[in-house]
Amino acid sequence: KQEVTQIPAALSVPEGENLVLNCSFTDSAIYNLQWFRQDPGKGLTSLLLIQSSQREQTSGRLNASLDKSSGRSTLYIAASQPGDSATYLCAVCQGGSEKLVFGKGTKLTVNP
Amino acid sequence: GAVVSQHPSWVICKSGTSVKIECRSLDFQATTMFWYRQFPKQSLMLMATSNEGSKATYEQGVEKDKFLINHASLTLSTLTVTSAHPEDSSFYICSAQTRQYLNEKLFFGSGTQLSVL
Repeated sequence: KQEVTQIPAALSVPEGENLVLNCSFTDSAIYNLQWFRQDPGKGLTSLLLIQSSQREQTSGRLNASLDKSSGRSTLYIAASQPGDSATYLCAVCQGGSEKLVFGKGTKLTVNP
Repeated sequence: GAVVSQHPSWVICKSGTSVKIECRSLDFQATTMFWYRQFPKQSLMLMATSNEGSKATYEQGVEKDKFLINHASLTLSTLTVTSAHPEDSSFYICSAQTRQYLNEKLFFGSGTQLSVL
């Protein structure tokens, strides 16, 4: 059974700092991995999607890496801003299915 | 990107009543919709997968007679929580997939916070 773990559970940083969020998964037979942003009481916004054959994806100040063999992914946020404050979710799509397995998320607070 | 609309955003109801949540894909046809549930400080958990015109496939431990899912058209899926009880209080969220975006980003609704008194 696939399990996704995110560390840390919560993170508070000053504005402008670069930071890394971690995600690990137990079954490396994944189809892709996605990072989402969830704002309180709201839905999810897909940030980056990495196919199993890819090593990383970049979008603006965000960079996600994937090491499938070791079951790890990181989300790097450069020059953090207060508007980046949210919960960041990592989810893997199992090979052969369309199901997503989510981690519990990392709650990020960027202080002005 | 594609837009998924979910209503209502929040519901407060008495124990024993039924609650219907709608999930609509506004600018694309959703061949598959997924329903998730999230308890406080827990991860999103898939409840069921619905394909247009066919019965939903429920995950282990999810009561299909309690959580009725209807996906009658390519743009609308509904989740009805029948005879809701306080333990059903949770954040429910849908996501939609289209063949056009297969294997790409999933599009999520804004979620529904259900509180059962």
